[in-house]
Amino acid sequence: SQQGEEDPQALSIQEGENATMNCSYKTSINNLQWYRQNSGRGLVHLILIRSNEREKHSGRLRVTLDTSKKSSSLLITASRAADTASYFCATEKLVFGKGTKLTVNP
Amino acid sequence: GAVVSQHPSRVICKSGTSVKIECRSLDFQATTMFWYRQFPKQSLMLMATSNEGSKATYEQGVEKDKFLINHASLTLSTLTVTSAHPEDSSFYICSAREHGDTEAFFGQGTRLTVV
Repeated sequence: SQQGEEDPQALSIQEGENATMNCSYKTSINNLQWYRQNSGRGLVHLILIRSNEREKHSGRLRVTLDTSKKSSSLLITASRAADTASYFCATEKLVFGKGTKLTVNP
Repeated sequence: GAVVSQHPSRVICKSGTSVKIECRSLDFQATTMFWYRQFPKQSLMLMATSNEGSKATYEQGVEKDKFLINHASLTLSTLTVTSAHPEDSSFYICSAREHGDTEAFFGQGTRLTVV
């Protein structure tokens, strides 16, 4: 399978807490990408991490990549209600899994 | 970030007619464009990948003659749903990428309703 699979499928937290989502994939990759989708909209690119990188930061986002385990994680720190969305990972093939639906409660 | 414009955002058509959806990269040249279909509360299903100037590569189970994809220029790809039926009603999303090792940018999606 060329897609990434996210875990958990749903996550509900309180504003200010951190949210961690995981992604597993099965093929060798050049890069792994994380996207966010608000309901009824297109996807927004969040961060791209290359296969030779282990960690990358962007604002409140931190992404890690472990190519030996074929896994990645996305950490959103100090979450806000506006972070409520579905989050997807994808390899460069851009085939998506079911995503993680994150709900941040005010 | 880069902008991808998808048009129309909503369309209602009668059964048996054809509908064309456009996807444009506004500020970059997209060597590859992707078309997806998304059912309510489900993930995006990749329908096809197209490279500029060549035929689209369709995913298994996607009818080539029903979903016509044209990627005639580096900034425009179109998806035509031919002889639409109610079961074709869905949310269609395009994305575009400049290079194979870069991120993709997504259009806003098109809500197609076939009546």
